[in-house]
Amino acid sequence: EPEVTQTPSHQVTQMGQEVILRCVPISNHLYFYWYRQILGQKVEFLVSFYNNEISEKSEIFDDQFSVERPDGSNFTLKIRSTKLEDSAMYFCASSALAGGTDTQYFGPGTRLTVL
Amino acid sequence: AQTVTQSQPEMSVQEAETVTLSCTYDTSESDYYLFWYKQPPSRQMILVIRQEAYKQQNATENRFSVNFQKAAKSFSLKISDSQLGDAAMYFCAYRRLGGSNYKLTFGKGTLLTVNP
Repeated sequence: EPEVTQTPSHQVTQMGQEVILRCVPISNHLYFYWYRQILGQKVEFLVSFYNNEISEKSEIFDDQFSVERPDGSNFTLKIRSTKLEDSAMYFCASSALAGGTDTQYFGPGTRLTVL
Repeated sequence: AQTVTQSQPEMSVQEAETVTLSCTYDTSESDYYLFWYKQPPSRQMILVIRQEAYKQQNATENRFSVNFQKAAKSFSLKISDSQLGDAAMYFCAYRRLGGSNYKLTFGKGTLLTVNP
């Protein structure tokens, strides 16, 4: 069964450094998402992406964040200057469609630790 | 803004018994979707079951069923014949129908322990 994959599984970085989290969505999917989960908190939406542009973003997704689909398979989340509060689990998701009951399939997540 | 509330941070159940996880939500929309996701210790979230708000019939998927009370804005998950593999964090989630807003809004989750 096709799966969403994410790399790395764990990233440790120093405050102020840039990080890029990578995702490979399911191959025929068109809609891509990033969510994050701070330890012990709820999963929060960050951004959705379709047709090479952001379709929606949350208040969390400020100028420090950016997303890109650099080729036909990868979907990346970049944090330009990491802060301690960016430490969280970051989940990528994809769906074939956006409407209807179409399911968002989640990757296993990248645990980001900012020191 | 839509909110999703799961009032039970933790629940436990004996293997083979039935457990019900609660979820309430707040929305001004009349049409929307509701989901239950399971997040096992490996941390990959998996869809368990989904419900369209315009359908009166409660969704079922094998041992998993929901009790959807639209007027009460309640969406509980019932797991029958619980198995050890059901142990996980369960998240209730909401999504609008239509428009360009496709994000899922999650509750805080309920950690389910299954005792042998």
